[in-house]
Amino acid sequence: AQSVSQHNHHVILSEAASLELGCNYSYGGTVNLFWYVQYPGQHLQLLLKYFSGDPLVKGIKGFEAEFIKSKFSFNLRKPSVQWSDTAEYFCAVNARNDYKLSFGAGTTVTVRA
Amino acid sequence: SQTIHQWPATLVQPVGSPLSLECTVEGTSNPNLYWYRQAAGRGLQLLFYSVGIGQISSEVPQNLSASRPQDRQFILSSKKLLLSDSGFYLCAWSVRGLAGAEQYFGPGTRLTVT
Repeated sequence: AQSVSQHNHHVILSEAASLELGCNYSYGGTVNLFWYVQYPGQHLQLLLKYFSGDPLVKGIKGFEAEFIKSKFSFNLRKPSVQWSDTAEYFCAVNARNDYKLSFGAGTTVTVRA
Repeated sequence: SQTIHQWPATLVQPVGSPLSLECTVEGTSNPNLYWYRQAAGRGLQLLFYSVGIGQISSEVPQNLSASRPQDRQFILSSKKLLLSDSGFYLCAWSVRGLAGAEQYFGPGTRLTVT
């Protein structure tokens, strides 16, 4: 079974600062990788995903993530955050051709205006 | 477009009482359906998933059960709630036949067992 580790529990930063959230997984086979976001009072929604191809993927709202296979990592980045990026962010992984999605514990991001 | 509904939104139940949470999906056919529980600081834990009517796979042995009486309806139940069943329950769907596809989540149900 896969496990997912998110490095930070809570990140606090100011508007216009850069954001990077770490995610590592443990699984030796081919995986699909996801970042989900939950804004206050809203559904959990997909931010971006990696299935194959270019390891640098771009998602909504200026977010991007890089898959580094040798490091089993899929870190999320945004060059300049906004107050509206305040949310909880979850990294998730499943083995290719598996229905089961494993989530990290989540990182709460608070952006101060 | 597809939408996913869950109800109730919040629920307070005493220990030992039964539970029934419902999830329905609109705008798609033959979806894969999932139940997750989210505990504070622990991410989401997959409880059950279903690839078709009457087909339920359980991921975690526990006090809960799931059923899929119709193609787009997924129900989470318990005969007797425990304090440890408190949490935030999320239903999700994905496209049938695409294992590994992205999942779409409902608004969730906040369950407090007292």
